[in-house]
Amino acid sequence: AQKVTQAQTEISVVEKEDVTLDCVYETRDTTYYLFWYKQPPSGELVFLIRRNSFDEQNEISGRYSWNFQKSTSSFNFTITASQVVDSAVYFCALSDPSDNNNAGNMLTFGGGTRLMVKP
Amino acid sequence: DSGVTQTPKHLITATGQRVTLRCSPRSGDLSVYWYQQSLDQGLQFLIQYYNGEERAKGNILERFSAQQFPDLHSELNLSSLELGDSALYFCASSRGGGSEKLFFGSGTQLSVL
Repeated sequence: AQKVTQAQTEISVVEKEDVTLDCVYETRDTTYYLFWYKQPPSGELVFLIRRNSFDEQNEISGRYSWNFQKSTSSFNFTITASQVVDSAVYFCALSDPSDNNNAGNMLTFGGGTRLMVKP
Repeated sequence: DSGVTQTPKHLITATGQRVTLRCSPRSGDLSVYWYQQSLDQGLQFLIQYYNGEERAKGNILERFSAQQFPDLHSELNLSSLELGDSALYFCASSRGGGSEKLFFGSGTQLSVL
C-alpha cells in the first residue's frame, strides 16, 4: 500500500529564512508520480509541482525548489527567503497508477505541514 | 480561481439526514474527483469519475454515492449522516484520467449536528 509521511506537523520561521518541508513516501511500484499542493488559509488546494519517478532532476521555480531522491524515497520542498504569504499548509502526495489497474488517479496525501512565516 | 465550482460552500444538517454536494469541473476537463478532509483522517480520496464512468474508488462509505452527468458535472450524495461525516469535501478536476495535476474547488464545509 502507498503511504506518504510528512513528519513535520508545524514549522514556524521568521520572514526571509529558508525552510525545508520533508516528505517521505512508500510505494511498491517503479512508476509513480509525486505532487506538492498548498492550502492557504482561504482553504482551497493549489497545485505546486508534479514529478514522475523517472525524473530525478531537482527543480527550481522562483523561490521554490524541490529535491527528489529515489534512493531515500524522499521529495523535499524548500522555500528560499520565506514570505508571510507563504504561510499555509503544504501537502505532499503520491499517485501510483498501478493501484487502479493503470486507469485511475488516486492521490495519497501526507498529513500536511503547517508553515507559519512571521514578519 | 481554479475554475472548479462547488456548491454549497457551507451545509449544516442533522444526523440521519441526506445531502447532495455539487461540482462543476473546469471547462474541458473530463475527470472529476471527490476528496474528504477531516482533522482525524486528513485528506482522503473518495472516488473518481471519467467522462461519466467510475474510474477509481477509494475509502468511500456505502452511505455515500456519486455520479457524473452527461454535462460532466458531478454530485456526491451523503445519506444517513453521522457526526463523524462532518468534514470539508473537495471536488477536483483534470483533463484526462491519469496521474495529472488536479484543480481543486474551494470545498463544501459539511457540519452534522
